[in-house]
Amino acid sequence: DAMVIQNPRYQVTQFGKPVTLSCSQTLNHNVMYWYQQKSSQAPKLLFHYYDKDFNNEADTPDNFQSRRPNTSFCFLDIRSPGLGDAAMYLCATSEADGLRPQHFGDGTRLSIL
Amino acid sequence: AQTVTQSQPEMSVQEAETVTLSCTYDTSESDYYLFWYKQPPSRQMILVIRQEAYKQQNATENRFSVNFQKAAKSFSLKISDSQLGDAAMYFCAYSYEGYALNFGKGTSLLVTP
Repeated sequence: DAMVIQNPRYQVTQFGKPVTLSCSQTLNHNVMYWYQQKSSQAPKLLFHYYDKDFNNEADTPDNFQSRRPNTSFCFLDIRSPGLGDAAMYLCATSEADGLRPQHFGDGTRLSIL
Repeated sequence: AQTVTQSQPEMSVQEAETVTLSCTYDTSESDYYLFWYKQPPSRQMILVIRQEAYKQQNATENRFSVNFQKAAKSFSLKISDSQLGDAAMYFCAYSYEGYALNFGKGTSLLVTP
């Protein structure tokens, strides 16, 4: 089945140690998104790619970066994780049409020690 | 900035009964998109139903329907004949350009036998 796959499901890192989260898709969608969802809160968009065009949300911390080497893969890099970055990180994809639904992965839960 | 408000942190419904989840939003745009997403515990978020603001007819998907009141900026979700599998966190979301989703804080729906 076509899907959005996030690896790993659980990631533990140390305070200040860079970490990379991975997302891949078999849907061949133009748009890929990264959301941060803290406990009992709404998902918050960090950035998205429309093909290779990167779109950063205004309030996304500089600590967060992303790479999309090809259509299928997108990475979230956290350069120096702080305790406040512990959250569920959701990857989603969509076609380039506003009404098309976003397809979400299972998420990666990031813990900071 | 657009905001989405879900005023019911938790709702409960008995199996086979009907429940309505509330959502209001704030926007100065005339054309936009509205969505309800469902996030079961430890499972991926999936689209339940969607509505384009310029369409006056309320969207319906099987047991799920919306009551879209554009002037009141209200977008409630009605679940008929509730099933145990409907238990989840439900997020209302707004999108203007069709990419970034602004989510509400969610309503946790409990379905009791």
